[in-house]
Formats: sequence, C-alpha cells, structure tokens
Amino acid sequence: QVQLQESGPGLVKPSGTLSLTCAVSGGSISSSNWWSWVRQPPGKGLEWIGEIYHSGSTNYNPSLKSRVTISVDKSKNQFSLKLSSVTAADTAVYYCARGSTSHATWGQGTLVTVSS
Amino acid sequence: QSVLTQPPSVSAAPGQKVTISCSGSSSNIGNNYVSWYQQLPGTAPKLLIYDNNKRPSGIPDRFSGSKSGTSATLGITGLQTGDEADYYCGTWDSSLSAEVFGGGTKLTVL
Repeated sequence: QVQLQESGPGLVKPSGTLSLTCAVSGGSISSSNWWSWVRQPPGKGLEWIGEIYHSGSTNYNPSLKSRVTISVDKSKNQFSLKLSSVTAADTAVYYCARGSTSHATWGQGTLVTVSS
Repeated sequence: QSVLTQPPSVSAAPGQKVTISCSGSSSNIGNNYVSWYQQLPGTAPKLLIYDNNKRPSGIPDRFSGSKSGTSATLGITGLQTGDEADYYCGTWDSSLSAEVFGGGTKLTVL
C-alpha cells in the first residue's frame, strides 16, 4: 500500500520560495505513475499545481507555470515542489498525490502560510 | 471561478438518495474521464469514482458515477450521516493542458 508524506516549512515569507517534499513509501516512485501536487486555500476548493513522471517529464498548471518546478529524486524515492515569488494568495494546504487526473492516494497535506 | 460547475450544496435525509452534478465542456468532461472525490472535514480528498463510473477497491456500491456529453453525475444512495462532506469532480482539460476541478459541493445529511 503506497503512502505519501509531505514535509517542509509551514511559514514562508512573501517573495520567497515555497519548498515541499513528498516521501513515497510502500512502493517505488519509478512505478508507472504520475506524481502530483494539489493545493487548497483555506475554505476553498482544490487547485492542481502540476505533475511529474519518474522519467522527469512534467506538466504544470498554466496559471502557475512561470513559478513552479516539480522534480523527482529516485534515489530517495521522493518528489518535490518549488513555488517561487510567493504571496499571501499562495497560502494553502498542499497535498501530494499519486496518479494523473485520478488520484488514488493522497498525503495528509501540509499547511503553508505566506506571511512576514 | 472553476472550469467545472458544481452546485455549492445539496441535502437529503438519511437513507435517501442524492445526486451531485458537474458541468463542463467538450475540452474537459466531453472528451476525458471524470473522477469524483470525497473530502471529510479536516482530511485529504479520497477517490470515490474514476474513469467516469469505476469504484476503487473498498468504495461501497452506494456511490456511483455517470457521464453524458459534457456533464457528469455522482449518485449516493442510502445516505448516512458519515457521508456529510465536500465532494469534488475532476478531469483533464485538453485546451488548458491542465487538470481541473469543480468548485465542490457540500453534502448535508439532515
């Protein structure tokens, strides 16, 4: 049973870079899966950020593409999210998930607050 | 404003049936598979339906999905108080080259 666990700073300063990692356990990140990031601002709906395949191929939300980088580290069985030039609008619970458009497994989510 | 349109809320009594609609366009629902998620308060979303009408292992058959044209529907029968949650539809949008979600529907079991 694949499990996902997000980790990273819970507080990021405006104009800074948000960095999160998703550790994959119970399975290999090199399996035939896309690995995704989804966020949810407090009290609002879900927003897809982007996805990565173990080969390194990526797809990003066009509205965030200029600020987003998703990478994979097969040696550590994890993938990561970097979001630059953050503002208060980027405050959200960030989830990592397995799959592309059909996310069978989700991490528990981590709240990231953008504030000085 | 979400690409996919869902009603903000629905309600029904325990034991009854409810449906939640998800409306899109030819660039998303019309030509791609739809998934449905349940999000209980304070928890991560949980996959209920994938590929329009398939249920992952462990999801009871009280939950069903269907698609017609550019709309999809989630049905829940035999409502229980534990079904109170937010429900989201999602799919790929070929024009945006992005995954899109509905705005979510809050289900209240009266």
